[in-house]
Amino acid sequence: KAGVTQTPRYLIKTRGQQVTLSCSPISGHRSVSWYQQTPGQGLQFLFEYFSETQRNKGNFPGRFSGRQFSNSRSEMNVSTLELGDSALYLCASAEASGGETQYFGPGTRLLVL
Amino acid sequence: AQRVTQPEKLLSVFKGAPVELKCNYSYSGSPELFWYVQYSRQRLQLLLRHISRESIKGFTADLNKGETSFHLKKPFAQEEDSAMYYCALRPPGYSSASKIIFGSGTRLSIRP
Repeated sequence: KAGVTQTPRYLIKTRGQQVTLSCSPISGHRSVSWYQQTPGQGLQFLFEYFSETQRNKGNFPGRFSGRQFSNSRSEMNVSTLELGDSALYLCASAEASGGETQYFGPGTRLLVL
Repeated sequence: AQRVTQPEKLLSVFKGAPVELKCNYSYSGSPELFWYVQYSRQRLQLLLRHISRESIKGFTADLNKGETSFHLKKPFAQEEDSAMYYCALRPPGYSSASKIIFGSGTRLSIRP
């Protein structure tokens, strides 16, 4: 099976802009989670989606939003970008929202200037 | 509060030397514990979980409930072990990814 894919891989934006990141889970996986990875904070949970429903949301401002489509693909959107949003955004998929292993994508590196 | 602490940001050891990556957790109960690894230019991946009690790539991790630690060990380091390692915790009874708490990570560098 193909692994989790994320597009784009790299992105440069300026403050105030908005950005949409995409994640395609492993075929058959219905759970998608998003994380923000930064050198200072490490990995921080953003959202978890299962069957098009947001199951959980981390401690991030409302500028961060997401959704999941019927084919389990997921997008996350960040509006009004700030310099501090520069990070590697990781997506992970699992067969279901359970104790199974998560499989991570390569990430989208976002740089906000 | 639930917390995972990895006290070393960077650990550098010579090839062939023993490796111990420290992980301490704060949780009053029996959480599920994991080690994840991220090699250069590769994806974050699960290395091992304490309930499996398995050895992966020569690494083992023992859960010490008394010391609330879950240190990752390998008797003889290899150059290919150089990577970023994350310790993570999930409270018992929770199956959601949102409940996984990651440490800040330790970068392991193996010198030839």
